[in-house]
Amino acid sequence: EVQLVESGGGLVQPGASLRLSCAASGFTFSSYAMSWVRQAPGKGLEWVSGISGSGDDTYYADSVKGRFTTSRDNSKSTLYLQMNSLRAEDTAVYYCAKDGDEWLANAFDFWGQGTMVTVSS
Amino acid sequence: DIQMTQSPSSLSASVGDRVTITCRASQGISNYLAWFQQKPGKAPKSLIYAAYSLQSGVPSKFSGSGSGTDFTLTISSLQPEDVATYFCQQYDTYPRTFGQGTKVEIK
Repeated sequence: EVQLVESGGGLVQPGASLRLSCAASGFTFSSYAMSWVRQAPGKGLEWVSGISGSGDDTYYADSVKGRFTTSRDNSKSTLYLQMNSLRAEDTAVYYCAKDGDEWLANAFDFWGQGTMVTVSS
Repeated sequence: DIQMTQSPSSLSASVGDRVTITCRASQGISNYLAWFQQKPGKAPKSLIYAAYSLQSGVPSKFSGSGSGTDFTLTISSLQPEDVATYFCQQYDTYPRTFGQGTKVEIK
C-alpha cells in the first residue's frame, strides 16, 4: 500500500526557514518523480515543485523559485522541501504527491495527508 | 503559463443526477489532463489521468473526456459520498496548473 507521510510544518515568523519531509513507503521510491502542492486556507491547489526519480531534474513555481529547494534521499525514501525567506503568502497546507512515472511526465496518482505551515509574526 | 478554467464554480444536484464539470485550457494540452477529488478537510484524491483513464480503485461512475483545450468530468449518478470539490490539472507543461475547483453539493 502506498503511503506518503508529510512532517515538519509549524508556525514560523516571516523571513524564517523550515524544512518539510515526506516519508514514502509501499513502492520503489527512486522509480517515481515526486511533487509538492500547497493549498492556502480556503483556496485552491497550487503546484509548488517537482523532482525526477533520480533527483537530477527539478522544477519550481515562479512564486517559490529562488526561495524553496526540493530534494530527495532515495536511500531513505524521503522527499524534502527546504523553504527559506518565508512569507505570509506561503501559509498553506503542503502536500507531497507521487507522479505516475520517473520523469515528471505523468499525472499524480497518490497524495499525502498534508502538513500545515503558518507564517506569521 | 497555461490557465485552467473550470465551470461551474459550484453546483447543487439531486441524488441520482448526472453531473458534468468542464475544464478549459488556455492552450492545447493534448490529453495531459488529470482530475482530483477533495472531500472537506481531506487531502486530494486522484481520479482520472490522461483525460479519461481511471486511477486504480476509482468507481466507474466517474468518467472523463476531451482533448486539446476542452475537457469534462462526469459523475453518472450523484451520491452523498461524492460531495467534494473537484479540480482539474494540466501536466503538459511546467508549471503544472490547476483549475480553481468546482464544489459539488447535494440539493
